[in-house]
Amino acid sequence: QVQLVQSGAEVKKPGSSVKVSCKASGGSFSNYAFHWVRQAPGQGLEWMGGIIPIFGTINYAQKFQGRVTITTDESSSTAHMELSSLRSEDTAVYYCASGISGSYYRFDYWGQGTLVTVSS
Amino acid sequence: DIQMTQSPSTLSASVGDRVTITCRASQSMSSWLAWYQQKPGKAPKLLIYKASSLESGVPSRFSGSGSGTDFTLTISSLQPDDFATYYCQQYNNYPWTFGQGTKVEIK
Repeated sequence: QVQLVQSGAEVKKPGSSVKVSCKASGGSFSNYAFHWVRQAPGQGLEWMGGIIPIFGTINYAQKFQGRVTITTDESSSTAHMELSSLRSEDTAVYYCASGISGSYYRFDYWGQGTLVTVSS
Repeated sequence: DIQMTQSPSTLSASVGDRVTITCRASQSMSSWLAWYQQKPGKAPKLLIYKASSLESGVPSRFSGSGSGTDFTLTISSLQPDDFATYYCQQYNNYPWTFGQGTKVEIK
């Protein structure tokens, strides 16, 4: 069974950056795709971007282009999402979500979420 | 971008009711559509993929249908555990996009 465990909550100042991690277990890391989805308080779900290491592809939503970087580290079975130039509107729960071979483009498995609060 | 519009935004229903949620895409797409259930404070859970395929372990009272621009999620007999918010999501074209959500409440 695939399990995704995310790093803990963060409080950041406007203009700073945050890096959220997502450790995967229960499968072959090379078969994972990782996506990042965020949810502002009381709002819906928003896809930020995704990486499919086996294809060497990374895609970002235009809204976050230039501010978000998604990477993976196979040695630690971990995916990372870094968001820069934070503003108050970036306050949200950030989820990593994964599909495995045959389902790279949908979100079969989810992490528990990481609350990022941006406040001065 | 493909815009996904769900209706209704809120639905009040009773245990045992048949419930249908609609998701309309802003342009025609194939069957690359998923449905998720989310409960307060929890991550979403995949219910349906490829418009009508039931994810393993999901009760058979959930079903999905549709193609082109119109898709539906049906719960054949609403159970107490089903009161939650439901989202559709297209993975036909980048960027992947979600509907705004449908909250299923107790009547």
